[in-house]
Amino acid sequence: AQTVTQSQPEMSVQEAETVTLSCTYDTSENNYYLFWYKQPPSRQMILVIRQEAYKQQNATENRFSVNFQKAAKSFSLKISDSQLGDTAMYFCASNTGNQFYFGTGTSLTVIP
Amino acid sequence: EAGVVQSPRYKIIEKKQPVAFWCNPISGHNTLYWYRQNLGQGPELLIRYENEEAVDDSQLPKDRFSAERLKGVDSTLKIQPAELGDSAVYLCASSSREYWGEQFFGPGTRLTVL
Repeated sequence: AQTVTQSQPEMSVQEAETVTLSCTYDTSENNYYLFWYKQPPSRQMILVIRQEAYKQQNATENRFSVNFQKAAKSFSLKISDSQLGDTAMYFCASNTGNQFYFGTGTSLTVIP
Repeated sequence: EAGVVQSPRYKIIEKKQPVAFWCNPISGHNTLYWYRQNLGQGPELLIRYENEEAVDDSQLPKDRFSAERLKGVDSTLKIQPAELGDSAVYLCASSSREYWGEQFFGPGTRLTVL
């Protein structure tokens, strides 16, 4: 089984600043996917960004980017120009063959 | 395209009562997941279906929980009898290998057991 660890239960950032959320995982597989999901308060979980393990290039989606370090099994999320709407729980997840493993989440608060 | 549909959105019941949750996945998604999410925690898998077959139900408390996906499309998760500790959000998700195995989540059902 894979494990996903998010060591930051809570974080805060000033509006317009940059914040990085950490995630490490443990797997013996060579082919897997990594995801960051966002869950706003009382709202639906949605995908933020994804990364294929065999791709060396870090994924980027507008203000969101990842730092994927395969050898270190690290997959951090960087949010640039933070906005109030970024306030949410963020979950790191890994996927191998339709089996998903989630971290315990990081609660991010963007401060006006 | 419609997303994952779940009903009801909220349910309040007395302990020892039965309760059922329904999920309709995105059309064409063969894999369906049921998760339980406690407050401030990540989703915990209860059961995963590939079409109509339950391929991973190791975390499903089978003494009181049951699930079905008879035609490989929509699914029902049942708890009977409910206990106080079952209060949580029950999430349904579906995925297709076409989209990197990405999971698409429903809005969840918030269950409160009194």
